[in-house]
Amino acid sequence: SFDLTQPPSMSVSPGQTATITCYGDPLDDKNVCWYQQRPGQSPVLVMYEDKRRPSGIPDRFSGSKSGTIATLTISGAQAVDEADYYCQTWVSPNVIFGGGTKLTVL
Amino acid sequence: EVLLVESGGGLVQPGGSLRLSCATSGFTLSNYEMNWVRQAPGKGLEWVAYISSSGGTIYYPDSVKGRFTISRDNTRNSVFLQMDSLRAEDTAFYHCARESSGYGRPLNLWGPGTLVTVSS
Repeated sequence: SFDLTQPPSMSVSPGQTATITCYGDPLDDKNVCWYQQRPGQSPVLVMYEDKRRPSGIPDRFSGSKSGTIATLTISGAQAVDEADYYCQTWVSPNVIFGGGTKLTVL
Repeated sequence: EVLLVESGGGLVQPGGSLRLSCATSGFTLSNYEMNWVRQAPGKGLEWVAYISSSGGTIYYPDSVKGRFTISRDNTRNSVFLQMDSLRAEDTAFYHCARESSGYGRPLNLWGPGTLVTVSS
């Protein structure tokens, strides 16, 4: 079966850049989405098709993909960005989620 | 306002059944594919069902296939999840989620979820 692997946790200082990775083999033939889930809230789509931002998502969020690694980058991380982040793709017919990365901003 | 609101969760014994509902508003349901995604307390996201806009195509992961049934009523702006033969490992918050256009099946609208607890 196909899996997406994320680091369980990471931390970043306010104003610094957070880089969250998502590994899948292969990933170059798939589109990757990213979700932000703040404590006690539902997930919110923050990136789709690897690097496209939905309307309303701040431009400090960006996405990229190279080979087997997709990356969500938060430039100038803020306290409000502290959340769980999940990558997601599709291997027909299944939707696949990564295990999630807990981002701490401190 | 564009909204999804789930209902129907609760406490059920192992082997029991529950029917979840997802009420939609603020958009034309018949234009969208819909999914159910669950999240066990303190755990990650797990996709559990997909239904096409017309209801003609349905998918499940192996973990729930044969036990869960997704359906929809576009005239009532609602999506449903019938869950039978429930197990302790089905305990989770169940969210309905709308797919947007775009490759990779992005889910751009989520409900707050309804909690299902399977326990004796």
